[in-house]
Amino acid sequence: NAGVTQTPKFQVLKTGQSMTLQCAQDMNHNSMYWYRQDPGMGLRLIYYSASEGTTDKGEVPNGYNVSRLNKREFSLRLESAAPSQTSVYFCASSDFVARHEQYFGPGTRLTVT
Amino acid sequence: GNSVTQMEGPVTLSEEAFLTINCTYTATGYPSLFWYVQYPGEGLQLLLKATKADDKGSNKGFEATYRKETTSFHLEKGSVQVSDSAVYFCALISNTGGFKTIFGAGTRLFVKA
Repeated sequence: NAGVTQTPKFQVLKTGQSMTLQCAQDMNHNSMYWYRQDPGMGLRLIYYSASEGTTDKGEVPNGYNVSRLNKREFSLRLESAAPSQTSVYFCASSDFVARHEQYFGPGTRLTVT
Repeated sequence: GNSVTQMEGPVTLSEEAFLTINCTYTATGYPSLFWYVQYPGEGLQLLLKATKADDKGSNKGFEATYRKETTSFHLEKGSVQVSDSAVYFCALISNTGGFKTIFGAGTRLFVKA
């Protein structure tokens, strides 16, 4: 099992460009999450999907959109990147929102210039 | 709202020293508490958890006890190794927080040989 995979690992964008971060899990989990990690701020939830077909905003959703493509895949889109979106992005999954334990991907390091 | 506060780092210890990383929380309802660990260049991994008051979570020589009276979940290890160098995150999930995981800011640990 690969667990949670993310692509790409690194990305550099210019202000105003768009991109989609991909995430897939092979653990048959129902719930998936997108976080950003910034120095000294821990992890902040951007969006989550409690189950296939649903998505909800987290703590910092502005400037992002998500798609739960199917049970395995959950993508994060930046429509018009800004320097404030420079961060490390982590995708995670768990079998139910209330199940507690989350499994994380290796992260995508994004720089917006 | 729910929150997690953990001691600021970095924490620098010599091999075989005793480790304590403090974590306190604010939450309504009955939260579950976690410690996650992040090794360099990787995503977070669950280290241990406790789901009710007085529970002790333990794994790989680390342990933490859920103390409701002091709203704390301090991480301890009796003898650290160089391989324990990582960032440690305290986290909670609560039924009153919409089952979203709240992470502390993280504490970086350096262990010297």
